[in-house]
Amino acid sequence: KAGVTQTPRYLIKTRGQQVTLSCSPISGHRSVSWYQQTPGQGLQFLFEYFSETQRNKGNFPGRFSGRQFSNSRSEMNVSTLELGDSALYLCASSPFAGADTQYFGPGTRLTVL
Amino acid sequence: GQQLNQSPQSMFIQEGEDVSMNCTSSSIFNTWLWYKQDPGEGPVLLIALYKAGELTSNGRLTAQFGITRKDSFLNISASIPSDVGIYFCAGQSYNTNAGKSTFGDGTTLTVKP
Repeated sequence: KAGVTQTPRYLIKTRGQQVTLSCSPISGHRSVSWYQQTPGQGLQFLFEYFSETQRNKGNFPGRFSGRQFSNSRSEMNVSTLELGDSALYLCASSPFAGADTQYFGPGTRLTVL
Repeated sequence: GQQLNQSPQSMFIQEGEDVSMNCTSSSIFNTWLWYKQDPGEGPVLLIALYKAGELTSNGRLTAQFGITRKDSFLNISASIPSDVGIYFCAGQSYNTNAGKSTFGDGTTLTVKP
């Protein structure tokens, strides 16, 4: 069974631009969560999607948004990028909403210049 | 919000030595999880704990769910070079933000051959 895939793996943007990251969960998994990982703040929860609905949201500004499609694939978008948005963005998939066991993808490394 | 204190922050050990790391929280968690992250990859789930007092092993790894539900530890016995990486604890509460894991800041393990 293929694992969680995230595209792109690396991305360089400049301040003010926007970016869209993609995540394909493990086949059959319907829940996708997004995390931001930085050296200073560690792993922080962004949001969770299940059945195309956002179930939970972390403490991030409205510039961070996401969505989930009917095939469970998910995208997250960050608008008006700031230098502090540079981070590894991780997607985690679970069989169902609220599942404790999450399987992480390799992440997308975003650098904002 | 919920916070996890993970210690030590880093460890430098000799191959063959045993390792112990722990996480504490001021909040109660219903599930404790331990992950390992290699450079350039997402965290991989090592052990999941579901009941207070539970002791679970996975090969050379052993983890315990504290009786108070506010702490957990991970032991690695007879360390080998491939144990190198960052180890994260994570907790989940059923009553808040199901599907969201709160992560510790990680323990970076270096194993000298």
